[in-house]
Amino acid sequence: ELKVEQNPLFLSMQEGKNYTIYCNYSTTSDRLYWYRQDPGKSLESLFVLLSNGAVKQEGRLMASLDTKARLSTLHITAAVHDLSATYFCAVTTFFGNEKLTFGTGTRLTIIP
Amino acid sequence: KAGVTQTPRYLIKTRGQQVTLSCSPISGHRSVSWYQQTPGQGLQFLFEYFSETQRNKGNFPGRFSGRQFSNSRSEMNVSTLELGDSALYLCASSLGDSYTEAFFGQGTRLTVV
Repeated sequence: ELKVEQNPLFLSMQEGKNYTIYCNYSTTSDRLYWYRQDPGKSLESLFVLLSNGAVKQEGRLMASLDTKARLSTLHITAAVHDLSATYFCAVTTFFGNEKLTFGTGTRLTIIP
Repeated sequence: KAGVTQTPRYLIKTRGQQVTLSCSPISGHRSVSWYQQTPGQGLQFLFEYFSETQRNKGNFPGRFSGRQFSNSRSEMNVSTLELGDSALYLCASSLGDSYTEAFFGQGTRLTVV
């Protein structure tokens, strides 16, 4: 059974600081997603990572994928308050499978 | 481009009742997946429909069922509601072939009393 673990579960950081959220998964996956969720809201797609070594950046967020280590990271650079949200990673298990297995989520709070 | 639309946004039901939730995917998307989100269990996959056929199923009891229509709109039904069914139900649509993004609707907040 595919398991996806994220850490930390909670992260409180000051504006302007850098930090990384980690996502480990237990079996081979062909796609890894990062989503953002604001309180009471739906999931907003941030990144889709498809291959080993993939790196994608959008603003202050950068995601990378190491399929050999079964690890993805979401790096936050010079955090701002607007980035406060819960971040989820999710993986699929094989070609054509639309079932997403989600991590536990990381609740990120940026303190001014 | 219209996004994924879920109706209703909020529902309050009594234990033992049944409920039907609706999801209209993005135009051209043929896959619709349903997820349950609760504080205790997180985000869990319910099932996925593609071209009117259930293609994947999660580990939920038979009280949870779904269907998809020829226009790709999908409905999810929960019968004999239990308090533990209170959750945010999210649907996601995608093209259904590999390496495409899944886009989520705003969700239906179901409260069972």
